Amino acid sequence: EVQLLESGGGLVQPGGSLRLSCAASGFTFSSSAMSWVRQAPGKGLEWVSVLSGSGGNIYYAGSVKGRFTISRDNSKNTLYLQMNSLRAEDTAVYYCAKDLLRWQKYGVVDCWGQGTLVTVSS
Amino acid sequence: DIQMTQSPSSLSASVGDRVTITCQASQDINNYLNWYQQKPGKAPKLLIYDASNLETGVPSRFSGSGSGTDFTFTISSLQPEDIATYYCQQYDNLPPTFGGGTKVEFK
Repeated sequence: EVQLLESGGGLVQPGGSLRLSCAASGFTFSSSAMSWVRQAPGKGLEWVSVLSGSGGNIYYAGSVKGRFTISRDNSKNTLYLQMNSLRAEDTAVYYCAKDLLRWQKYGVVDCWGQGTLVTVSS
Repeated sequence: DIQMTQSPSSLSASVGDRVTITCQASQDINNYLNWYQQKPGKAPKLLIYDASNLETGVPSRFSGSGSGTDFTFTISSLQPEDIATYYCQQYDNLPPTFGGGTKVEFK
């Protein structure tokens, strides 16, 4: 069974940093593109970033580019999201997501974690 | 970024009703269009990919159609467990973008 388990969320002050982790199991992690998708309270879904299985291809949403860094450790089957210079508008549930890389395109998510809440507030 | 316009933003229906949601892209996205279901407090779930392909295990009452910029999602006979918010999403261009969502409630 495919499982994704996020951790690392919490309350942080504006301008602060936080690192999210996502432990994966039940599939060949090193062969899978992985994404982070977020959802602000009561709002819709926003794709944040994607990283290829090898780590060679990385893309970010414009709203987080330069502040967030996606990475992975294939030896630990773990995906990370380092979030710096956090703003109130980054407050959201952050989901770890397995990307199917369908037609060699990123964006088809066939498995989601349960999400971890990040709250940016003073 | 490609803008995805979904309508309606909410709807009320009865058990057994046919429910239709539309999604319009700001440019041609070919058929690179997915539909997700999200129940309250839960992660989204992929229902349909490439505009009309049903994900494994998804009931056949769910269907999708369309191409280019205009797409439709249909529940042929609404069931109690279908109460959720539904999102369309394009993945033709990065970043993948979602519609604003349609909240389906019971009348």
